[in-house]
Amino acid sequence: NAGVMQNPRHLVRRRGQEARLRCSPMKGHSHVYWYRQLPEEGLKFMVYLQKENIIDESGMPKERFSAEFPKEGPSILRIQQVVRGDSAAYFCASSLDAEAFFGQGTRLTVV
Amino acid sequence: AQSVTQPDIHITVSEGASLELRCNYSYGATPYLFWYVQSPGQGLQLLLKYFSGDTLVQGIKGFEAEFKRSQSSFNLRKPSVHWSDAAEYFCAVGDTGTASKLTFGTGTRLQVTL
Repeated sequence: NAGVMQNPRHLVRRRGQEARLRCSPMKGHSHVYWYRQLPEEGLKFMVYLQKENIIDESGMPKERFSAEFPKEGPSILRIQQVVRGDSAAYFCASSLDAEAFFGQGTRLTVV
Repeated sequence: AQSVTQPDIHITVSEGASLELRCNYSYGATPYLFWYVQSPGQGLQLLLKYFSGDTLVQGIKGFEAEFKRSQSSFNLRKPSVHWSDAAEYFCAVGDTGTASKLTFGTGTRLQVTL
């Protein structure tokens, strides 16, 4: 049973480009969560999705960030027009009920 | 709003010594509490969790934690630390309606000396 898969593991983008981060949840899991970890900080909740629905996006920045979890395929976190402050590790977690399983993360570097 | 405080940013212990990492939370109802460990450049691994019942919970790798409602604490303990335990440890509280929507503490970095 494969765990939560995130790709790419490392992503470098120039300022102004788009970053697209993918997350495939564990088999059978219908809940996906995205978290951001800034350097030397804990993880901060961004968004909670179920298939085709955004349930809670209270942690998402108001501009440039969006997330989806389509009926088929992985969940996508999209960051448009990236800035240096977007450099962070982005983690995806999936759950079936109350326990979250985390992926290895995508480390985004904006140059 | 819920919050988690890990007062110790960095702790150093000798291999074989006991360990206690502190965690205090602020939450209105009975919380769902978690401890995760993160090795450098890696994701998070769940060590243990508390939802209800026995307030002393056992986890993986010889870790345990005790929920103390009166102190709003959920401290992590290990009787004898191994060098491989060096990592970052995060305490987290889950939202009542959505247990996997987690609020994390800022973490405690554990260094183990030989």
